[in-house]
Amino acid sequence: QVQLKESGPGLVQPSQTLSLTCTVAGFSLTSYNVHWVRQPPGKGLEWMGVIWNTGGTRYNSALKSRLSISKDTSKSQVFLKMNSLQTEDTATYYCARSNWEGDYWGQGVMVTVSS
Amino acid sequence: DIQMTQSPSFLSASVGDRVTINCKASQNINKYLNWYQQKLGEAPKRLIYNTNNLQTGIPSRFSGSGSGTDYTLTISSLQPEDFATYFCLQHNSFRTFGGGTKLELK
Repeated sequence: QVQLKESGPGLVQPSQTLSLTCTVAGFSLTSYNVHWVRQPPGKGLEWMGVIWNTGGTRYNSALKSRLSISKDTSKSQVFLKMNSLQTEDTATYYCARSNWEGDYWGQGVMVTVSS
Repeated sequence: DIQMTQSPSFLSASVGDRVTINCKASQNINKYLNWYQQKLGEAPKRLIYNTNNLQTGIPSRFSGSGSGTDYTLTISSLQPEDFATYFCLQHNSFRTFGGGTKLELK
């Protein structure tokens, strides 16, 4: 069945770079798009960006200068990198596959930005 | 970028009540509007896609409507398990979430 799972460090220092991995199962990254969404504690959802099945990407304009999404289709993994982290980047980060066929999310990974 | 304004931010209601939650887009989103429910500590769950299509397994007390810039989620008769936070999401032009509505027990 379709599964997504995020992994990465729970703690990142301010000004450093966040690197997260989304490992998927049950589908091919050459056929489906994968989105990244984050949610600060107690707050709403923010769409961060998408990597299309073709490998193209699109980012939230507010994050565009700091964000990069890539993938390794042979390993069924999608990568998120965001630089210059600040305390306001503390959030749960989700990867998700969502289209008319269905809507699947990972469990999320909590990332705290703190020294 | 398209902005989504969701209202109300908080809603107090009782079991059995009919409730509505609204989302207004900053431009026409051509009915590309989804509704999500999120419970504490869980990932969001899609209830409705493309304005009025009920996700498989979601009870029929949930319904959606709208067009152009204005969209509504209706819960016809609240059940205890419906007290949660709800978000709209436009996917006409990339994606934007609404700010959320926390539905609480009165």
